[in-house]
Order: sequence, then C-alpha cells, then structure tokens
Amino acid sequence: DGGITQSPKYLFRKEGQNVTLSCEQNLNHDAMYWYRQDPGQGLRLIYYSQIVNDFQKGDIAEGYSVSREKKESFPLTVTSAQKNPTAFYLCASSPAGGWDYTQYFGPGTRLTVL
Amino acid sequence: AQSVTQPDIHITVSEGASLELRCNYSYGATPYLFWYVQSPGQGLQLLLKYFSGDTLVQGIKGFEAEFKRSQSSFNLRKPSVHWSDAAEYFCAVGANQKVTFGTGTKLQVIP
Repeated sequence: DGGITQSPKYLFRKEGQNVTLSCEQNLNHDAMYWYRQDPGQGLRLIYYSQIVNDFQKGDIAEGYSVSREKKESFPLTVTSAQKNPTAFYLCASSPAGGWDYTQYFGPGTRLTVL
Repeated sequence: AQSVTQPDIHITVSEGASLELRCNYSYGATPYLFWYVQSPGQGLQLLLKYFSGDTLVQGIKGFEAEFKRSQSSFNLRKPSVHWSDAAEYFCAVGANQKVTFGTGTKLQVIP
C-alpha cells in the first residue's frame, strides 16, 4: 500500500530540546515538503526538497533543519531555536518535482512543548 | 506571488442540504487549483484539482468545483451534504514553483 507515513503521531518536548519528526514515502516521489499548521493560519511551508541531497527553505524555516539523504525519507528537526514549536506538522510529497503541484499528505505529527 | 482567500471561516449546513464553499485567488495567469479536505487530527486528502480544460471539475466523495476566470474563483460544491462531510476544507493554488494554501473553512453538519 503506497503512501506517506509520519511518526510519531504525538510528540512532547521540553523547552531547550531538539526533536526529530520522521517522514517516509513509498510513492517514488521526487519532491517532499514540510508544513506547519496552526489554527486559523492554514499551512505554512517550512522546507522542501526536490531531489536527494538538496533542499530549500520555505517561508518559516528559522529554528528548523532537514536532511534528504534518501529519496524516501525527509526528516525534520525542530531545534531549541524555534521560539514557538507547538503545532501540527504535516509532511507531503509530489511526483516529478512537483511539476503539477499536486501534493499527497501524511497523517501528521502533533508536537507539544511542555 | 499568488494568494488564496477563503472568506468563510466556519459554515453550518443541515444534512441533505446543498453546500458551496468559496475560494478566491490572486495570480496573473491561470494557476493550478486544488481543494483538500482534512478531518480532525489527520492529514489533508485531495478532493479535486484543475489545470486546464473543462471548468467544471468532478472530484471524490461527490464534490465538484467550478473555475471562473472572470471572478478569480474556484468554489467547491456538493448537492447533498452527509454528516461524514464535516471537516475542514482548504483551497490551494499552485504557481511559481510553490503551493499556497487558504486558511480553511470548517464545515459543521447538523441533523
């Protein structure tokens, strides 16, 4: 069954800690994306990658980092520099570098900072 | 740069009634247009998309959307709403190598 998986579903972090959110896809898609969702604000792009070993900052990259060592995997690290990390995080992928802009989403990870 | 506006934050409809969710976009040419649905605590699911051609687009779950260039709109419709349609709906625009999402419309369905 093809799709996108994100883990964990819920994540709790103490202030000052870095945490890594996992995103894996078996759709053979080239492009992958990370979004942050806050109530009433829609989705905001954090980072995206259109090819292995390359990625670009989105609109709100400060306090986040990513890697793309494998086509199937695009982990997101929320660092202690992120001032307000409590949010719902969504990973998405898109075929052929997103040429038609269609994106397919994972189930999300809810991060709460205690 | 493109932008998307969903003017209705929250809409309540009775089960069996018709539904129209509004979406307006700003872009110099015809962009790629999408509607997604999100159930609470879940990811987004693609309902339908428009690239070109017939301006009335059919999607999954009985939804359709109509592209109107003169109004820069891409409204989502359903003739008869079911209780399971209660969710949040997002309109999105693809252009300039980027997808921009609206802020969403939360749909409540009452019996």
